[in-house]
Parts: sequence; C-alpha cells; structure tokens
Amino acid sequence: NAGVTQTPKFQVLKTGQSMTLQCAQDMNHEYMSWYRQDPGMGLRLIHYSVGAGITDQGEVPNGYNVSRSTTEDFPLRLLSAAPSQTSVYFCASSAGGSYEKLFFGSGTQLSVL
Amino acid sequence: ILNVEQSPQSLHVQEGDSTNFTCSFPSSNFYALHWYRWETAKSPEALFVMTLNGDEKKKGRISATLNTKEGYSYLYIKGSQPEDSATYLCAFTNYGGSQGNLIFGKGTKLSVKP
Repeated sequence: NAGVTQTPKFQVLKTGQSMTLQCAQDMNHEYMSWYRQDPGMGLRLIHYSVGAGITDQGEVPNGYNVSRSTTEDFPLRLLSAAPSQTSVYFCASSAGGSYEKLFFGSGTQLSVL
Repeated sequence: ILNVEQSPQSLHVQEGDSTNFTCSFPSSNFYALHWYRWETAKSPEALFVMTLNGDEKKKGRISATLNTKEGYSYLYIKGSQPEDSATYLCAFTNYGGSQGNLIFGKGTKLSVKP
C-alpha cells in the first residue's frame, strides 16, 4: 500500500528555473494539499484541493501553481524558482473534513541557488 | 491571523521519565485539533484527532487531552523511550477555515536519552 507518493526526494534548481513536484495518492482521498516546512516555522499551507477540478490558495501561494485533473494526482509547479523557495515540501491527503487525519508524503528537499 | 503555540520548543528527558507538552489555540469556532509525530528524516504521522471538549485519546504510552473552552491540549508520554524522540506537532482548524485546512504549530522536539 503506497499511500502518498511524492517525487523527487531532492532537487537543486537555479534561480529562474521551473519544475514540478509530483504527488499521487492511492487512497481515493478527496482532499490533497501542499505544505512547506522552513526552519523555525510550522508547516505552512501553499495550495489545497477538495476534489478533482477544484483548487484553492493556502497561506503562502505566491510563486506556485497547482492543478487537480484526477483524484489521485496533485502536482505543484514552481514557475520561476527563487532562493526564498528553498524549503522542504510535503504533500498530504485526507478523506476530507477537518476531523480526518492527514497522510503525508515523504517530502522533497528543494534548494534554489 | 490564527496562531497555534506549542511549548516547550524542545525537551530533553531521560529514558523512563514521563513528560508532557502543551498546544494552545484560539478557543473560538473550534472544529478539530490534530497531533502528529514527526521523526527525523521521515514524514509526520497522525497520532490523534480530537473534536470534543474534554476528549481524551490514548495510544500505547501516549495520551492527549483537549480543552476547547480555554484553547489548549496536552500531550502526555508515560515512561519515555529513546524511540519516542521526535518532533510533536499540533494543528488546529476552525469552522471558518476551508475544509481540511490545518494551522500547524512549530512543534515540540523531544529527545529521550537512554
């Protein structure tokens, strides 16, 4: 049982480059989200989706795009990477509703030079 | 801006000690409080989801209580073991937030020495 699969685990980008972080879940979860983790900060919500075709912004959405064409996949796109986007990124999913626990992917360590 | 505070920031205990830490959150429009355990080099894993004032949850040596009227939750670890070393995160959501959006605290980092 794969759960939430997140790739890549590590990535180094140059300023201005674009890339996509992949996230897939096999639990038929409606809710999916992306968080970033920075030193001294709690996990901060970037974007989220409550179902296929529906996305919305979280606390720190600038510089990121998402789409949700299927229930399983929720990629995060960095359009033009900046050093401020150096962070650890986590994808998470849940069955939906704030009383449902989140299942996290293994994380992506991203460095933007 | 909603804020979730966790204390202490870090904690060092000896194996066998019992310990507890606190999560404080806004008491208005409470909906749910989550606790996650996050080991180094792994991803966070859910411990508890609590929704009712007075809720108490238990999982092995770990338990949690919830007071929604005053806006706090305690996490207790009885007889700490080295494998309990991790960062413990709490996260809160209110009715006004969008479905499933949690506001995370910065965590309490627990180190258990053998």
